[in-house]
Amino acid sequence: DIVMTQSPVSLPVTPGEPASISCRSSQSLLHSNGHKFLNWYQQKPGQSPQLLIYLGSNRASGVPDRFSGSGSGTDFTLKISRVEAEDVGIYYCMQTLQTPYTFGQGTNLEIK
Amino acid sequence: QVQLVDSGGGVVQPGRSLRLSCSASGFIFTSFGMQWARQAPGKGLEWVAVIYNDGGNKYYADSVKGRFTISRDNSENTLYLQMNSLRVEDTAVYYCARAISYRGLISHFDSWGRGTLVTVSS
Repeated sequence: DIVMTQSPVSLPVTPGEPASISCRSSQSLLHSNGHKFLNWYQQKPGQSPQLLIYLGSNRASGVPDRFSGSGSGTDFTLKISRVEAEDVGIYYCMQTLQTPYTFGQGTNLEIK
Repeated sequence: QVQLVDSGGGVVQPGRSLRLSCSASGFIFTSFGMQWARQAPGKGLEWVAVIYNDGGNKYYADSVKGRFTISRDNSENTLYLQMNSLRVEDTAVYYCARAISYRGLISHFDSWGRGTLVTVSS
């Protein structure tokens, strides 16, 4: 199984400041078709997960452009250019290159 | 708009069975794969199972393989999860989600239901 490791576990951020979350996979998520099968989800308190980024770097519909995703085959990053209070929640990376699909353990973004 | 309504959760004793449903609307159900994922209280997300749009391909997490069965009724726009031999560790909120495919491969899950809580306890 592909193991997904996120860091940090907890991320306190001052509003208006940038934030960065790392996700590392135990094997490359680069498919032979050239796409990276890595996605990012945001889960706000009491809500279901919402898709932020798919195939490594594509923003989902309706996601503010302050969110961006990047990465190579095994190392990926979710960046928030300027954190807002509404960004509080837990962020998960998820690989869909092969089953069983797997999630990172989550990063809890909180406002300072 | 896409709507997924999960239902069927409840309290059940260890060893018993339960069937979850996910009613889909707002999109052509037969064109999309679907998944179940779960989240134990206070814990992270765990993928459970996926089924392709025609129901022909199904895959499971090792933790549920042989006990859970994912299925779909395309005439009713409904996804199911039959859960047998339930264990205390299966206690979680179960979410259904719609799969987006890219060149025949599932790439991500773009819409999620609100979840249904399953509690396995004696």
